[in-house]
Amino acid sequence: AQTVTQSQPEMSVQEAETVTLSCTYDTSESNYYLFWYKQPPSRQMILVIRQEAYKQQNATENRFSVNFQKAAKSFSLKISDSQLGDTAMYFCAFMKSPGSGNTGKLIFGQGTTLQVKP
Amino acid sequence: NAGVTQTPKFQVLKTGQSMTLQCAQDMNHEYMSWYRQDPGMGLRLIHYSVGAGITDQGEVPNGYNVSRSTTEDFPLRLLSAAPSQTSVYFCASSPIPYYEQYFGPGTRLTVT
Repeated sequence: AQTVTQSQPEMSVQEAETVTLSCTYDTSESNYYLFWYKQPPSRQMILVIRQEAYKQQNATENRFSVNFQKAAKSFSLKISDSQLGDTAMYFCAFMKSPGSGNTGKLIFGQGTTLQVKP
Repeated sequence: NAGVTQTPKFQVLKTGQSMTLQCAQDMNHEYMSWYRQDPGMGLRLIHYSVGAGITDQGEVPNGYNVSRSTTEDFPLRLLSAAPSQTSVYFCASSPIPYYEQYFGPGTRLTVT
């Protein structure tokens, strides 16, 4: 069975600085997807970034980038130039890829609450 | 495009009562699912559906029932509410294959 672990329940960062959120996972699959979701106080789940395991290049989306270390089963999220609107809970999630018994199921970590301070 | 909608946004139930959480999507997605979110546990899959007439259990299905008669709608039924079902419930949908799931705004349910 797959598991996802986020070992930092809470983090804080000063506005305009950089912060890295950690995520590790356990799987025997070779192909899969990894995601970071953001949940602001509004409760809406928003996809931040997606990484496909067969791609060696780390995904980036504007100020958000990941450090994907497949051998170490690590998938950290780096937020550059932090903004007050980045204050939210962040979830790391895993999904098997199509063709490997994928049922569309997302397996989530416990979440990391990020506070951006002015 | 409304995306994924859920009703109600908030609900309080007494133990033993039943109710249905509604979920609808207007993106013609084949895949729909229900998750519950509890503090310190992330989101966990309750039930999912890969198309009209097809449903299956997720990780925590006990106490919940689903059906999928149309592509658009995927209601979640609580048969006899228990305090352990106090949670925030999210509905999600995606096209198949499942590259990205679109979440609804959630329903906060309290069972007293």
